[in-house]
Amino acid sequence: QVQLVQSGAEVKKPGASLKVSCKASGYNFISYNIHWVRQAPGQGLEWMAIITPSGGGTTYAQKFQGRVSVTRDTSTSTVYMELSSLISEDTAVYYCLRGGYDSGGGVWGQGTMVTVSS
Amino acid sequence: EIVLTQSPGTLSLSPGERATLSCRASQSVNSNNLAWFQQRPGQAPRLLIFGASSRATGIPDRFSGSGYWTDFTLTISRLEPEDFAVYHCQQYDRPPYTFGQGTKVEIK
Repeated sequence: QVQLVQSGAEVKKPGASLKVSCKASGYNFISYNIHWVRQAPGQGLEWMAIITPSGGGTTYAQKFQGRVSVTRDTSTSTVYMELSSLISEDTAVYYCLRGGYDSGGGVWGQGTMVTVSS
Repeated sequence: EIVLTQSPGTLSLSPGERATLSCRASQSVNSNNLAWFQQRPGQAPRLLIFGASSRATGIPDRFSGSGYWTDFTLTISRLEPEDFAVYHCQQYDRPPYTFGQGTKVEIK
């Protein structure tokens, strides 16, 4: 079955960078986009970025432009999301989400809790 | 950017009652590229509806989606105890693929 497994929780200091991984299994990795979504404590879902694994093309939300980078490694079916210049407001659970909702998509990773604190 | 506005913010109902949730878009969502997700406390969201009205695999038929262009609705025909959760809509028509702010369905 389709599965996305993310890396573990992180604690970062303000100004640091973050890299979260999302390993896909159970389907042809290059056939479906992967989204990154975050959720601050007690808040709603915020869409951040999308990558097309076949060619590596990306689109980022304007809010994160210049601070976020999403890449993929097709040899390991893994997508990475890097966020730099962290501030306390970046404290959130970060999720990856498989696209292709009409083809078995809409599957989420388990989430990665990121805490930014001095 | 398409802004999605969900209403109400909180819906207080009893088990067995009908729930009607609204998601209104600031611009037309073409091809009904609108999804609904359910999120229980402490869990990742789960896809319920895609294409505005198609149920995802394994989703009970008490969940139904409807609507087009800018007005979309999620209906839960008879609330089960496990349905008390937060519901999010998302448009995946064009980036940024925005979410609504969520509707919490709570036990009255």
